[in-house]
Parts: sequence; C-alpha cells; structure tokens
Amino acid sequence: DTAVSQTPKYLVTQMGNDKSIKCEQNLGHDTMYWYKQDSKKFLKIMFSYNNKELIINETVPNRFSPKSPDKAHLNLHINSLELGDSAVYFCASSQRGAGPEQYFGPGTRLTVT
Amino acid sequence: GIQVEQSPPDLILQEGANSTLRCNFSDSVNNLQWFHQNPWGQLINLFYIPSGTKQNGRLSATTVATERYSLLYISSSQTTDSGVYFCAVDGYSGGYQKVTFGIGTKLQVIP
Repeated sequence: DTAVSQTPKYLVTQMGNDKSIKCEQNLGHDTMYWYKQDSKKFLKIMFSYNNKELIINETVPNRFSPKSPDKAHLNLHINSLELGDSAVYFCASSQRGAGPEQYFGPGTRLTVT
Repeated sequence: GIQVEQSPPDLILQEGANSTLRCNFSDSVNNLQWFHQNPWGQLINLFYIPSGTKQNGRLSATTVATERYSLLYISSSQTTDSGVYFCAVDGYSGGYQKVTFGIGTKLQVIP
C-alpha cells in the first residue's frame, strides 16, 4: 500500500515534446508538492498546492504546470521540453497544520535527448 | 530567502563508528525535517523536529531553534546508513511559505 506513488518511473523523450508525470497519495493529506533534483543531487521545490492555493517557486519556467484533478492527485505537465529539464522529479505530500512532515514518492527520472 | 547550510559535505565512516551531521539555517523556521536518500534514490523521512530532541533507534536529532541549528546523530553506523542526508526547513521567504533543502551530507559507511 504505497503512500505516495508516481508514474512513470523513467521517462525518456526528445526536446520539444510535451509530457506529464502523475502523482497520487493515499494518505489523506491536503497539500502536495513537486520537487526537482538535479544531477548534483540538489533538491529544489517547484510547487506546493492544496485545494486553496497554488504556490509557485519563482524560478520555475511557465512551461511547467501542476494540474490537480482532486485532492489525492497532483500531476506535473511540462511543455516544450528542454535538455536542462533532465532531472529526477519527486512528488510529496503533507498535512498542513498537523505537524506537516512530508512524504515523498519514489521519483521520476526524466531524460530529455 | 532562507539559507540552509549542511556540514560536512562528505563523510566516510568505518562501520560501528558514530557521527554528527549539522544543519544551520539563516532565519526563523516553522518546521525542520531530516531526510535520508538511499543509494537507490528513495527519500525517507527521518525526523520532523522544529525544536527539541527526538530519538529513533540508532538515530537521534536535536534542534535548537533559537540558535538556528539542528544536529543529526548516527550511532553504531551500518553500511545501510550510506546515502545522502538532507535537512529541510519550512519558513517564510519572499512573502510566502517555502521549503528549502540544504545540499546534503553524503555519507559512506565502509565495512
């Protein structure tokens, strides 16, 4: 019973394509996040989202957009992929206001060729 | 924004040794977490510790919020402790709440 799941685990695509990564959590949390981990292992938050507000890290290009069909899902859509988008993307969730420990998914390794 | 510094950046331990990892942060924070990223890339939540001390088996953590640092203690290290340890703080930056990670401490435990 995976708490936070992501699909796909690996994604290889060409420059210019549009792709999506899916994330689902079954923890009943109200807040979900997307992180990018670059080749140097540096983790940086991209978005945090609950049903009230979307907080965007100002450094994230507008080619990246989170889409949440419901409280348990936060998908990441990426338009016009670039080589520099290659990284591992982690989804996470937490329950704000109740000791918001974050729980991470297994990650999606995106390679743009 | 909030700056998070971790030290040391790299650490090699003989199995059975103890170690202390440090996380300094530049401003008041609401929350602080320690994570372990294993060699397979999985991020595992170790402690949620905005202040005080917690223990979980061979690991313990202490955060002194007033002095803006946190320490992670690993005792009797095992090869399975290898990986990268991240400190992450949750505080206000640029007018909104934001989670900021340190660059991590890469730990290698050798038999």
